[in-house]
Amino acid sequence: ETGVTQTPRHLVMGMTNKKSLKCEQHLGHNAMYWYKQSAKKPLELMFVYSLEERVENNSVPSRFSPECPNSSHLFLHLHTLQPEDSALYLCASSQDRAGEQYFGPGTRLTVT
Amino acid sequence: EDQVTQSPEALRLQEGESSSLNCSYTVSGLRGLFWYRQDPGKGPEFLFTLYSAGEEKEKERLKATLTKKESFLHITAPKPEDSATYLCAVQSGFRYKLSFGAGTTVTVRA
Repeated sequence: ETGVTQTPRHLVMGMTNKKSLKCEQHLGHNAMYWYKQSAKKPLELMFVYSLEERVENNSVPSRFSPECPNSSHLFLHLHTLQPEDSALYLCASSQDRAGEQYFGPGTRLTVT
Repeated sequence: EDQVTQSPEALRLQEGESSSLNCSYTVSGLRGLFWYRQDPGKGPEFLFTLYSAGEEKEKERLKATLTKKESFLHITAPKPEDSATYLCAVQSGFRYKLSFGAGTTVTVRA
């Protein structure tokens, strides 16, 4: 595997389900990100981790819970989602605060 | 709050018809301006970093320029494979966060 990988690529879940998104980076970077991309809207930064510690708080509902067990893996735990949470969720990594970020292919999430 | 506005929202070009995309920004303490390309069903792919007004970067048919208020992405003699959504983003201060624009979707017809 190379670059940034994400699983699953597609996910359909009900509002009462609990699911997790997984991201893995093979670039040796020390920072990882979760973004939300909705149609016709700019990418929204959700969470940033640097050296497995969460940095830069952003206003994200508590139904989204991130986890970063090591510098190569990042998870996004989902529970009690709303239909408006349907979007493409992108993971990215970078070396330190570099604006050159490397993105995974995303998970297309549909909440029914 | 950093803000990025891209125009036009969509651009349809004939193969070989050169054009420019605009990215206007307001930021306190620009650390860098970034251009990304995103193909359907894929994550954004990094293209360029610009750090200061007057700077230019080139890659194949793409050329990015920067002023104190905006950046342009010039596409010279585009080919159908240049069809994509082009995203502009800024980074300010000592932050990790990139603030993105909504993008310009470019379609190049053969």
